[in-house]
Amino acid sequence: VQLVESGGGLARPGGSLRLSCVGSGFNFSSHPMNWVRQAPGKGLEWLSYITRESNAIDYADSVKGRLTVSRDNARNSLYLQINSLRAEDTAVYYCARLSKLRGAIYYMDVWGQGTTVTVSS
Amino acid sequence: SYVLTQPPSVSVAPAKTATITCGGVNIGSKVVHWYQQKPGQAPILVIYYDNDRPSGIPERFSGSNSGNTATLTISRVEAGDEADYYCQVWDSGSDHYVFGTGTTVTVL
Repeated sequence: VQLVESGGGLARPGGSLRLSCVGSGFNFSSHPMNWVRQAPGKGLEWLSYITRESNAIDYADSVKGRLTVSRDNARNSLYLQINSLRAEDTAVYYCARLSKLRGAIYYMDVWGQGTTVTVSS
Repeated sequence: SYVLTQPPSVSVAPAKTATITCGGVNIGSKVVHWYQQKPGQAPILVIYYDNDRPSGIPERFSGSNSGNTATLTISRVEAGDEADYYCQVWDSGSDHYVFGTGTTVTVL
């Protein structure tokens, strides 16, 4: 069971990046997914959520309007498009699998290793 | 938006008990999960649904949640427990996931 992110790198302010996350070893289409980021020396920040069939999507207020999350279950893949990049978007970006045992409360039980985004001119 | 407050750091001697708090308004009415993150690594889940342990997590890790404070307790602390710890809830008011500010545990 693993998640592998890619697509990070150096980007210019105002530019765009598309991050990818590929799942393996489990039924990817059965799990909602989250994106979480961590700026250097800072804590974890939840960014986005997408349901199993992409019929519900949500974003943190701090990034709403600049991020677009999507998934392709046929490719076991999750994506995050980040537009209008800012210096404060510099961070490690993680995808995380959501699971639940009871009720409607999910937890993040599998995390990728992260992909680093650096925004600088 | 819902805010979760943790102490920035906790220091503990080996074999002693570390207690990490997570404060939030009426957090006892919410479900709390805890994550451990070691330097340069991705977070891992150590406690879910307030006090359940995923397979592979030692029994030394336990949790509780009541009133305005959730607590992660690490008994018989080992050097390998040095890490950052984050609490997390789902806020039904905003439909958003919320992480605590994080606590660095140092083993003396």
